[in-house]
Amino acid sequence: AQSVTQLDSQVPVFEEAPVELRCNYSSSVSVYLFWYVQYPNQGLQLLLKYLSGSTLVKGINGFEAEFNKSQTSFHLRKPSVHISDTAEYFCAVSGRGAQKLVFGQGTRLTINP
Amino acid sequence: NAGVTQTPKFQVLKTGQSMTLQCAQDMNHNSMYWYRQDPGMGLRLIYYSASEGTTDKGEVPNGYNVSRLNKREFSLRLESAAPSQTSVYFCASSESGITSGNTIYFGEGSWLTVV
Repeated sequence: AQSVTQLDSQVPVFEEAPVELRCNYSSSVSVYLFWYVQYPNQGLQLLLKYLSGSTLVKGINGFEAEFNKSQTSFHLRKPSVHISDTAEYFCAVSGRGAQKLVFGQGTRLTINP
Repeated sequence: NAGVTQTPKFQVLKTGQSMTLQCAQDMNHNSMYWYRQDPGMGLRLIYYSASEGTTDKGEVPNGYNVSRLNKREFSLRLESAAPSQTSVYFCASSESGITSGNTIYFGEGSWLTVV
């Protein structure tokens, strides 16, 4: 079985500052990893995903994430945030061959002007 | 592009009442899912349908039933609503199962309150 832990429930940052949202996972098999974003009162949309290959994955809106197998982490980063990045961010993992996508608890990113 | 459409968007039920959440996708996807979202708990899978004609339980299936009516539609039924089922419900779909790392596309959610 897989599990995901998002280490911060809330992250406040100032506009134009860098941000890192942390995600650790647990799995006994190889995994696929995802970051989804949920804007207020909306559904989730995919930011980026790691399937294989390069450990640095680039996504939409300037976000990127790095897969670190030894530390079982998949942290999300953005070098300079904007007010419009205010949202809740979910890390998710699927074991290869598994039928389920397991989500973390979410990190609420708040951007202050 | 409509994507994944779910109805109703808001609903208030009394304990013991029944209701069905409807979901349809127009992306010709094979797999469909129902999740619930509760504060601090992320999203939890209720039921999924890997392909038309099949359904399987997820993490939290108790108190729910599903029907894969056809390739486009996947409904979620609460037979006897309980306050613990107060939640935001999301329908989602993907081209095929998650086993290949496919992206899941979500609807905008249905806010359900059981009083």
